[in-house]
Amino acid sequence: DTGVSQDPRHKITKRGQNVTFRCDPISEHNRLYWYRQTLGQGPEFLTYFQNEAQLEKSRLLSDRFSAERPKGSFSTLEIQRTEQGDSAMYLCASSYRDYPTDTQYFGPGTRLTVL
Amino acid sequence: DAKTTQPPSMDCAEGRAANLPCNHSTISGNEYVYWYRQIHSQGPQYIIHGLKNNETNEMASLIITEDRKSSTLILPHATLRDTAVYYCIVRVVGFNKFYFGSGTKLNVKP
Repeated sequence: DTGVSQDPRHKITKRGQNVTFRCDPISEHNRLYWYRQTLGQGPEFLTYFQNEAQLEKSRLLSDRFSAERPKGSFSTLEIQRTEQGDSAMYLCASSYRDYPTDTQYFGPGTRLTVL
Repeated sequence: DAKTTQPPSMDCAEGRAANLPCNHSTISGNEYVYWYRQIHSQGPQYIIHGLKNNETNEMASLIITEDRKSSTLILPHATLRDTAVYYCIVRVVGFNKFYFGSGTKLNVKP
């Protein structure tokens, strides 16, 4: 399977703990995106990388959230001091910078439950 | 990005064509129309996109009106596996993030 992969698929944690998610994009894709989706809503943009550079962050990405993409390959999203409001599906997508369309392909997501 | 309006839900009989409408009356000339779908508990799946011409691929057809203010996604022969939430998104050329609305829940019934 050469699609976007995410690990873990499910994570249950207690409030106040730190969690880290990993995303592996499609191999030739140089752009990587993180979205968050709460129940009944469409995905909401969090941040995106072009190669290793983080080029945009949403206001949703509080200072407890940090994302990295070392060497422009896989990416990690860390949430520190988790809160119950962080419970959501965290989605990763990747694309190849292909003006003008830049179609994004999504992974299966990581479902986070904060108790 | 232009706002899109979609019906919250639609039903379709298995084997029939499913026609999902989307209104994007404030779309600009440099905005593409994208369609994604999300089957329960999975990541969104890309379906099709277009600028002003009608488009067709192995999954669906996209019909965009001449004034570009609305579009219709057509699944020619819906199956039970097409039951999903379908999102219509417009995005400016060169911008990177997608704004997903609430989508249309398509229920394909036997």
